[in-house]
Amino acid sequence: AQSVTQLDSQVPVFEEAPVELRCNYSSSVSVYLFWYVQYPNQGLQLLLKYLSGSTLVESINGFEAEFNKSQTSFHLRKPSVHISDTAEYFCAVRLNTGFQKLVFGTGTRLLVSP
Amino acid sequence: NAGVTQTPKFQVLKTGQSMTLQCAQDMNHEYMSWYRQDPGMGLRLIHYSVGAGITDKGEVPNGYNVSRSTTEDFPLRLLSAAPSQTSVYFCASSTRGGASYNEQFFGPGTRLTVL
Repeated sequence: AQSVTQLDSQVPVFEEAPVELRCNYSSSVSVYLFWYVQYPNQGLQLLLKYLSGSTLVESINGFEAEFNKSQTSFHLRKPSVHISDTAEYFCAVRLNTGFQKLVFGTGTRLLVSP
Repeated sequence: NAGVTQTPKFQVLKTGQSMTLQCAQDMNHEYMSWYRQDPGMGLRLIHYSVGAGITDKGEVPNGYNVSRSTTEDFPLRLLSAAPSQTSVYFCASSTRGGASYNEQFFGPGTRLTVL
């Protein structure tokens, strides 16, 4: 069975500092990997995804994630965060067959302060 | 497009009451899902549907019923609410995936409290 581990429940950082949110997954078969973001009192929005090809994927607002098959990781990074990045971030995995059943991690709350 | 809409936004129930959470999408998506979000547990799949008339159980289906009579609507029914069902509920939809991924679009959520 698939599972996703986000070890950090909360990550506090100062504005303009770099940040890494960690995500590890377990699966015996090929998977697709995603990061979703949830701003306060809103639904989830897709931030970026890895399906195949280049192991480094980027979002339009400066986040990037790298798929590392040997370490079964998909960590999310940003070199310089803004106050507006304060949100909860969820890593998710799904099998690349059948219904798009997503398995989510428990989430990491990113708190950016001035 | 309104995307995925959910009603109500907030609801308070007493133990044993029943209610239906509404979900609608106007993107002609085949797939629809219901998740619940609890602190420290992420999102867990309750039920899903791959098309009108077809539904299946997810990870935590007990206490919930669904039906899908139209492509647009996917209501979630609580037959006899329990305090353990206090949660935030999200509906999501996407096009048929096949061999490639199609983004799931989430609604704004319904915050349910069962006393």
